[in-house]
Amino acid sequence: ETGVTQTPRHLVMGMTNKKSLKCEQHLGHNAMYWYKQSAKKPLELMFVYNFKEQTENNSVPSRFSPECPNSSHLFLHLHTLQPEDSALYLCASSQVLTGVNTEAFFGQGTRLTVV
Amino acid sequence: AQTVTQSQPEMSVQEAETVTLSCTYDTSENNYYLFWYKQPPSRQMILVIRQEAYKQQNATENRFSVNFQKAAKSFSLKISDSQLGDTAMYFCAFMRVTSGSRLTFGEGTQLTVNP
Repeated sequence: ETGVTQTPRHLVMGMTNKKSLKCEQHLGHNAMYWYKQSAKKPLELMFVYNFKEQTENNSVPSRFSPECPNSSHLFLHLHTLQPEDSALYLCASSQVLTGVNTEAFFGQGTRLTVV
Repeated sequence: AQTVTQSQPEMSVQEAETVTLSCTYDTSENNYYLFWYKQPPSRQMILVIRQEAYKQQNATENRFSVNFQKAAKSFSLKISDSQLGDTAMYFCAFMRVTSGSRLTFGEGTQLTVNP
């Protein structure tokens, strides 16, 4: 059993649909992340939340909308996506302390296909 | 900005033999962490090994060890006694000490262990 759980594992959506990806971490961490993994490209950091506050948005289009209601849950709301948004979306968590950072633990990802 | 380069898109090795995966990085930071993550077909990103830049001693974890050359900005992974279960995509990743757990990834190396 993984400490970071993502649902759904697979998602197919049309360009006019609205859907959400969910991530839950059971590790007591205080930071959560969304990464995008596209074919033939390195993983790209999309959003960072520390203590439920968004601290980073790496120029992600507004059709991706993150939400972090508490330190254990992270959502990625999707609307009017494009086919090029098809990718594996990975959630991660870590414990961030002043001067000390732990490695990130990842979920199994959501394979998103936009048709 | 940091960059991570993995120059070997694919590698293969016979079971029980040793293989080395290469990684180079570029940074102006003096203190940072380096990681190797493994992503098997299940897509779960699993931490293999971690190296703190201030430590001269190379990290080891059972059959996995690294050759960390700070001046050359090189961070290779050696897998000894390769097993079929080692077949996966391997990612080298960089993390600044002061940036939380934000990771910069390389493009990945697909390793296949042959029976």
